[in-house]
Amino acid sequence: GAVVSQHPSRVICKSGTSVKIECRSLDFQATTMFWYRQFPKQSLMLMATSNEGSKATYEQGVEKDKFLINHASLTLSTLTVTSAHPEDSSFYICSARPFRGVQEKLFFGSGTQLSVL
Amino acid sequence: DAKTTQPTSMDCAEGRAANLPCNHSTISGNEYVYWYRQIHSQGPQYIIHGLKNNETNEMASLIITEDRKSSTLILPHATLRDTAVYYCIVRVPFTGAGSYQLTFGKGTKLSVIP
Repeated sequence: GAVVSQHPSRVICKSGTSVKIECRSLDFQATTMFWYRQFPKQSLMLMATSNEGSKATYEQGVEKDKFLINHASLTLSTLTVTSAHPEDSSFYICSARPFRGVQEKLFFGSGTQLSVL
Repeated sequence: DAKTTQPTSMDCAEGRAANLPCNHSTISGNEYVYWYRQIHSQGPQYIIHGLKNNETNEMASLIITEDRKSSTLILPHATLRDTAVYYCIVRVPFTGAGSYQLTFGKGTKLSVIP
């Protein structure tokens, strides 16, 4: 099956710093990638949808200036958490939809656990 | 997308079949039933999907009732590695120019017991 690689798997940073998370589709091109956030014992919540070459679409309540998304190529999307604070500590997960053909499923990265001290 | 209802948690003995139910009484005619699972601290993993016919793959079987208002995911021989949260999601297929996001509910936490 298709592979989505997410890096880093875990990051600890100081409050006020910025953190970049990468999401790569390794063996397929992804027109669209999604970024989710998951707090402990809760379900995944969609943060934003990124389309290659265009601006991301953010869900209500998600600050676009705080969570910067770049989808510069068909195989890479990045999420940058700017000026991170302890309340941004969460599990961040990306997913990707293959570019070609009718694809009935999305593929997910392994997630990034962000801890802000 | 139609709303789904799943039990909060279930236990299953190792080696036995795990039957996970899902109610989706408001499902529309063109909506599929998708199942994903999430093992602790990992991203979700696709399991299976179907429209109205029963489906089987190497991971599981999906049984959809004739009125399509409910379905059951069956793991035929559960192992300890099947311990995870299982999500039942109902939505239109990923085609054309529509939205491709998945909306996750709370899912069912399946614990496979030795």
